[in-house]
Amino acid sequence: DQQVKQNSPSLSVQEGRISILNCDYTNSMFDYFLWYKKYPAEGPTFLISISSIKDKNEDGRFTVFLNKSAKHLSLHIVPSQPGDSAVYFCIGSARQLTFGSGTQLTVLP
Amino acid sequence: EAGVAQSPRYKIIEKRQSVAFWCNPISGHATLYWYQQILGQGPKLLIQFQNNGVVDDSQLPKDRFSAERLKGVDSTLKIQPAKLEDSAVYLCASSFSGSGYEQYFGPGTRLTVT
Repeated sequence: DQQVKQNSPSLSVQEGRISILNCDYTNSMFDYFLWYKKYPAEGPTFLISISSIKDKNEDGRFTVFLNKSAKHLSLHIVPSQPGDSAVYFCIGSARQLTFGSGTQLTVLP
Repeated sequence: EAGVAQSPRYKIIEKRQSVAFWCNPISGHATLYWYQQILGQGPKLLIQFQNNGVVDDSQLPKDRFSAERLKGVDSTLKIQPAKLEDSAVYLCASSFSGSGYEQYFGPGTRLTVT
């Protein structure tokens, strides 16, 4: 049972444009949602989070949107930079972290 | 501040052999986690320690996997005997407490079972 789904394994965008990464979830018990990013040969690192009682959280170029009725969240990166190229994991947090399968973002110069 | 350290970085073994992974968390972090990441999937929690006690090991295949965290600092994860489907990256993470969600991950150990 995949509680967190990232249906796009990969995404390519041009430098300077917006990157939108999407995620769907099924577990209504998640109280926080997080995005982690992972570079090759490194562990995942925390990027941004959102409480389940909020619908938006912004941190610099990164904004996460939560639509609880649709059980959907998205991560917006504006403007995208080549250094943003990484795997992005969508995560639901209850007693433990439940990871999606990740989306490989490639930002083309 | 030093990050989470793991060793070895890579390991290749034959099926039915045993293997052990080591993790040293960030100093002062009470909570330690072991995750398994199979190719194409997200990390899956195997076991969570709070100091040297087990908080959650519900997804640990206890017939072949074991983990310990002596003295509440370093931890080892062992697989005995290994199966082909154990091929994965094994990630160790730590956090200051178990109630927060920000975890700090090590670089992982890539295990290949042939």
